[in-house]
Amino acid sequence: NAGVTQTPKFRVLKTGQSMTLLCAQDMNHEYMYWYRQDPGMGLRLIHYSVGEGTTAKGEVPDGYNVSRLKKQNFLLGLESAAPSQTSVYFCASTESVGFMNTEAFFGQGTRLTVV
Amino acid sequence: AQSVAQPEDQVNVAEGNPLTVKCTYSVSGNPYLFWYVQYPNRGLQFLLKYITGDNLVKGSYGFEAEFNKSQTSFHLKKPSALVSDSALYFCAVRPRVSSGSARQLTFGSGTQLTVLP
Repeated sequence: NAGVTQTPKFRVLKTGQSMTLLCAQDMNHEYMYWYRQDPGMGLRLIHYSVGEGTTAKGEVPDGYNVSRLKKQNFLLGLESAAPSQTSVYFCASTESVGFMNTEAFFGQGTRLTVV
Repeated sequence: AQSVAQPEDQVNVAEGNPLTVKCTYSVSGNPYLFWYVQYPNRGLQFLLKYITGDNLVKGSYGFEAEFNKSQTSFHLKKPSALVSDSALYFCAVRPRVSSGSARQLTFGSGTQLTVLP
C-alpha cells in the first residue's frame, strides 16, 4: 500500500545510546517532516526537509539530527539518547510545504523509550 | 508566534447526539486551519481544512467545521456521533504568509473524543 512507513515501531534505548529512525514514502513527495508527540503537548516539529539533500530545524531540534540523501527517505538520528527524548515520533510527507495544498500523510509512529 | 488551544482534553457524547470539539487559534493575519484525527496506534489522518471562502467546511466521515474569524475559532462538529468516531482529534493552524519553520503547522494538544453506545 502507498504511504509513509516508519521503522522501527518500538524501541527501548539506554541513556547515551544512539539510534536512527527511518521514514520512507513512496508517493514522490518533496516535503518530509519529523514530529514528536508528548501527552498534553500535541505534535511538535523537530526537523523538516523541502527536498532531497536539504533539511531545516523545526520547533524542538536539539538532540536530533536528520538526513535526506534520497527523496523517498528521511532519517532522524539521536546521537546520545536522553530520557527527555522518550516520546512517540511521527514522520509525515506532503507534496507542498506547510500542508496547504494537499493532504498530509503520516506514518504509524515510533514509540521510543529511553531508560 | 502562532498557537492553538483545544480547551477540552476529553469530550464524551452519546451515540446519535451531536458532537462539538472546540478549537481556538492565534496567528498573525488570516490563518489556514486544519483538523486531523488519530486512531489508536495510528498516524494522523486529515479530516478537513479551511483555506478561504465559505466559513463552513465539510470534510471526511460527515464532519464539518466552522471558521469564525471574530472569535478566532474553528470548532469541529458532527450532527450525529458514531461509536467509531471515538479517537484523538487535533486542530492545527499555520499563518497565511510566513517563512522558514513558521510556515509549518502548529498543532493543538488534542481532544480525546469518546462516543458512548
